[in-house]
Amino acid sequence: SQTIHQWPATLVQPVGSPLSLECTVEGTSNPNLYWYRQAAGRGLQLLFYSVGIGQISSEVPQNLSASRPQDRQFILSSKKLLLSDSGFYLCAWGVESYNEQFFGPGTRLTVL
Amino acid sequence: KQEVTQIPAALSVPEGENLVLNCSFTDSAIYNLQWFRQDPGKGLTSLLLIQSSQREQTSGRLNASLDKSSGRSTLYIAASQPGDSATYLCAVRPADSNYQLIWGAGTKLIIKP
Repeated sequence: SQTIHQWPATLVQPVGSPLSLECTVEGTSNPNLYWYRQAAGRGLQLLFYSVGIGQISSEVPQNLSASRPQDRQFILSSKKLLLSDSGFYLCAWGVESYNEQFFGPGTRLTVL
Repeated sequence: KQEVTQIPAALSVPEGENLVLNCSFTDSAIYNLQWFRQDPGKGLTSLLLIQSSQREQTSGRLNASLDKSSGRSTLYIAASQPGDSATYLCAVRPADSNYQLIWGAGTKLIIKP
């Protein structure tokens, strides 16, 4: 069966510090991968998606970036965090032909 | 532009009641619609996926319907239990997209013992 992992589960970082969140998927190959952000009381915002290694599409201009160094690894990064980057970050995977999306447990990021 | 709305934003009912959560969308050109559950501070759990050609899907006490022409989907929960308390989100995949989901803001459901 397929599983998706995210770490860390929670993170508190000062403004201006770097960020690296990791997501890995097991039990499937060549998945579509997604990074979402969920701000308090608001819906999900798609940040990045990837259809293959090294292929990243950005939905929202911001100080975040994403990379996919391996087929089942998706990384969300920032060089300098802003207060507005605080939120709940969710990684998801899906199969294009069916496009049901499955989510990881999320990372709670607080920028102080 | 596709928009997804979930009403009500919050709902509180006694245990044992049957209930319906609503999801509406403005553009009927969808590929599928997906219902999710989110517990506080947790990720999303996929509950049901309905393809555009389907009218309903069932899983246990859950039944999701889709009326594409009227832009509506409902999630029916039978014999509600306190463990059903969570936020329920719906998302539609536009027919012209291979990856995008358009999300509702969710309905926060509380089942009172």
